[in-house]
Amino acid sequence: AQRVTQPEKLLSVFKGAPVELKCNYSYSGSPELFWYVQYSRQRLQLLLRHISRESIKGFTADLNKGETSFHLKKPFAQEEDSAMYYCAPSRDMRFGAGTRLTVKP
Amino acid sequence: NAGVTQTPKFQVLKTGQSMTLQCAQDMNHEYMSWYRQDPGMGLRLIHYSVGAGITDQGEVPNGYNVSRSTTEDFPLRLLSAAPSQTSVYFCASSQTGNPGNTIYFGEGSWLTVV
Repeated sequence: AQRVTQPEKLLSVFKGAPVELKCNYSYSGSPELFWYVQYSRQRLQLLLRHISRESIKGFTADLNKGETSFHLKKPFAQEEDSAMYYCAPSRDMRFGAGTRLTVKP
Repeated sequence: NAGVTQTPKFQVLKTGQSMTLQCAQDMNHEYMSWYRQDPGMGLRLIHYSVGAGITDQGEVPNGYNVSRSTTEDFPLRLLSAAPSQTSVYFCASSQTGNPGNTIYFGEGSWLTVV
């Protein structure tokens, strides 16, 4: 089955520490992957997409076809990064379990 | 553009009651979908539609019905609410069903079934 997996449901780091949210996909071909974020009391929104190779709010994500991964990284986490993050979607528009990131002061 | 609008934002239902969650988008998107969000389960796809008159089941369709009579609207119906349907529901739309398109979400509907 085509799947996108986020192995960590919870991730906690201190402010200023590097953070990496893991995402692995299991389907072949050229995936089109995104990271979506949901801040407290806000709707889900697009954070970044792999195809644009952009950096948003200091986050980057590189598609690694060899490892079938699309991990989200930020060198210095900020408290305002605390949110729910989803790597998505699979080709059938399904999302994974997401990772709740908490950045502690 | 208002984007994706869903109502109501909060609802409490008694077991066995029925209700409809409304969803509308003004972006002329072909693809619309409903997800439910539960702690530890992430977002799970309930139903989706690739265009007016076409609907299909997602991962967790049982207990829910949908219809797509217009491009703009995609209501989700709970025919006989159960406590297991207590959740946060999100309506979403995208240009097409291609996962390469950005998905736009509504603000969510908090449903409690007692």
